[in-house]
Amino acid sequence: GIQVEQSPPDLILQEGANSTLRCNFSDSVNNLQWFHQNPWGQLINLFYIPSGTKQNGRLSATTVATERYSLLYISSSQTTDSGVYFCAVIGKAAGNKLTFGGGTRVLVKP
Amino acid sequence: DTGVSQDPRHKITKRGQNVTFRCDPISEHNRLYWYRQTLGQGPEFLTYFQNEAQLEKSRLLSDRFSAERPKGSFSTLEIQRTEQGDSAMYLCASSLGGWGEAFFGQGTRLTVV
Repeated sequence: GIQVEQSPPDLILQEGANSTLRCNFSDSVNNLQWFHQNPWGQLINLFYIPSGTKQNGRLSATTVATERYSLLYISSSQTTDSGVYFCAVIGKAAGNKLTFGGGTRVLVKP
Repeated sequence: DTGVSQDPRHKITKRGQNVTFRCDPISEHNRLYWYRQTLGQGPEFLTYFQNEAQLEKSRLLSDRFSAERPKGSFSTLEIQRTEQGDSAMYLCASSLGGWGEAFFGQGTRLTVV
């Protein structure tokens, strides 16, 4: 099946810093989503972005489908941005299930 | 519409007991997924439904696990003869169509003692 790798696995930031999270995938995709998992375990939708660029406040994402990667940008980070960020994809050849990467654990220090 | 709803939020059970979880998807969504997540790991796919048809089951879904979606609306996930290794967060998601944006419920945290 499709492989999804996220980097870095852990990220420690000072409040106000910018950061970039990366998601690499091994095959063409029909769906790519970024999620933020809050401390209570719920997955919050950030972006549905199988291709192109989107922005939502301090967050933005870019997916370059032809090169099989996606980037999530966090600008002017806040302590509330702490948590785990997951990338998940539905591969074109792998059946219609959402496959998750291992996540990037982000800690924003005040 | 309140999004995807899961019940219960927490469940503590003794080893060997059976447990059942319920998921109510977003009303117009025809696809429903179940995932399992253990501490420090990403969600692992268990199974999914298109309307009432169960289209795929992971190897993780042993004979002790069964899922149903009888009328293409809510779904149940049952675990028989629970083991300590079943302790995890069980997540449900729904989407419109095969490639639509998936939305997750708050999860059911199972602890087997």
